[in-house]
Amino acid sequence: AQRVTQPEKLLSVFKGAPVELKCNYSYSGSPELFWYVQYSRQRLQLLLRHISRESIKGFTADLNKGETSFHLKKPFAQEEDSAMYYCALKNDYKLSFGAGTTVTVRA
Amino acid sequence: GAGVSQSPSNKVTEKGKDVELRCDPISGHTALYWYRQSLGQGLEFLIYFQGNSAPDKSGLPSDRFSAERTGGSVSTLTIQRTQQEDSAVYLCASSPRASGVNTGELFFGEGSRLTVL
Repeated sequence: AQRVTQPEKLLSVFKGAPVELKCNYSYSGSPELFWYVQYSRQRLQLLLRHISRESIKGFTADLNKGETSFHLKKPFAQEEDSAMYYCALKNDYKLSFGAGTTVTVRA
Repeated sequence: GAGVSQSPSNKVTEKGKDVELRCDPISGHTALYWYRQSLGQGLEFLIYFQGNSAPDKSGLPSDRFSAERTGGSVSTLTIQRTQQEDSAVYLCASSPRASGVNTGELFFGEGSRLTVL
């Protein structure tokens, strides 16, 4: 069965420090993975998808099939990056989400 | 409207009462989802509608939960005989289809926060 695991519920970093949010998945086929973000008092929204291989707001995520991981990284965290982040795995038409990681960036 | 609209934004009810939550998706989006967001539990899939196809109800936690989508647009999630464990934020999302494929990009509403006393 497909599953998404985000082992860290909370992550606190200082402004300017690197930040990495871990995501591991289990899926028998060829996975499609996404990161969604929810800023305070805003809607949950798509941050990036692995197919696009894009960098959004300085964040990147590389799919590692050998390690079944899709970790989200940013070299220099900013205060506006404080938010809840969800890793998601697409299975046909459904998205399965992880439990989420709350990131706090401190000045 | 500009985005997915959900109502009510907040609902407080007593245990045993029925509640209805409404979702108005983005115009033209054929796919509609309901998720439940609980503290520490992440987002739990509840139900999926796509056009005129039979909905995927595999995520509904019990037969107290039901949902319908009228005319391929507005959806209503109904919870009967509410229990305290039903307290959560209920999120609705819609999605377009590109070339007959769901892209994986979901557009979420602001959610309906349900509190069962």
